[in-house]
Amino acid sequence: DAKTTQPPSMDCAEGRAANLPCNHSTISGNEYVYWYRQIHSQGPQYIIHGLKNNETNEMASLIITEDRKSSTLILPHATLRDTAVYYCIVRVEFGGTSYGKLTFGQGTILTVHP
Amino acid sequence: GAVVSQHPSRVICKSGTSVKIECRSLDFQATTMFWYRQFPKKSLMLMATSNEGSKATYEQGVEKDKFLINHASLTLSTLTVTSAHPEDSSFYICSARNTSGISYNEQFFGPGTRLTVL
Repeated sequence: DAKTTQPPSMDCAEGRAANLPCNHSTISGNEYVYWYRQIHSQGPQYIIHGLKNNETNEMASLIITEDRKSSTLILPHATLRDTAVYYCIVRVEFGGTSYGKLTFGQGTILTVHP
Repeated sequence: GAVVSQHPSRVICKSGTSVKIECRSLDFQATTMFWYRQFPKKSLMLMATSNEGSKATYEQGVEKDKFLINHASLTLSTLTVTSAHPEDSSFYICSARNTSGISYNEQFFGPGTRLTVL
């Protein structure tokens, strides 16, 4: 079972920031937070990941709360091409039988409209 | 960036036939690859973990004799759907975990294979 909870859908106006929340209250110390997105009929695309510090790359920013029980993915200037299903996943980075596995939940359907 | 390919991208077959799907990591080595299945409007479901040179590890409820996995090299894993039936129709996606280079331990996904069994 997925260890994350996300809203099923969100809307965002083109050019505005999209803030996608994720709850992972049972996250363990050896688990990172990963974000992927899937555009219709394609394979998932990696966006960003982090452990406890905020992260930023050319696609997005990831804000992780200090207690690590939730996070927010920020797309700073959403475009129509950002319309996709966004998955927040916690992944074991080392040790244990679940090492490296990605367990997908239902994700958030983000619709960017003009 | 790291690229994973799948072949074929789309296949239609008759019930009872077997279908092989290839997953290749094009510019990195992947000792571990994962196979997922996705039904319409549903999330990805992990089927099995494929390890180079050893037997695959299947998730609970996935029949290993039905979905044969072979990971013969560091860049290729194959999934064979044996004696396919219409209920096997789905979108099959592989991912490969990079075990070298600057993207070490990252997982990259293939574009998926749409299987339709008539």
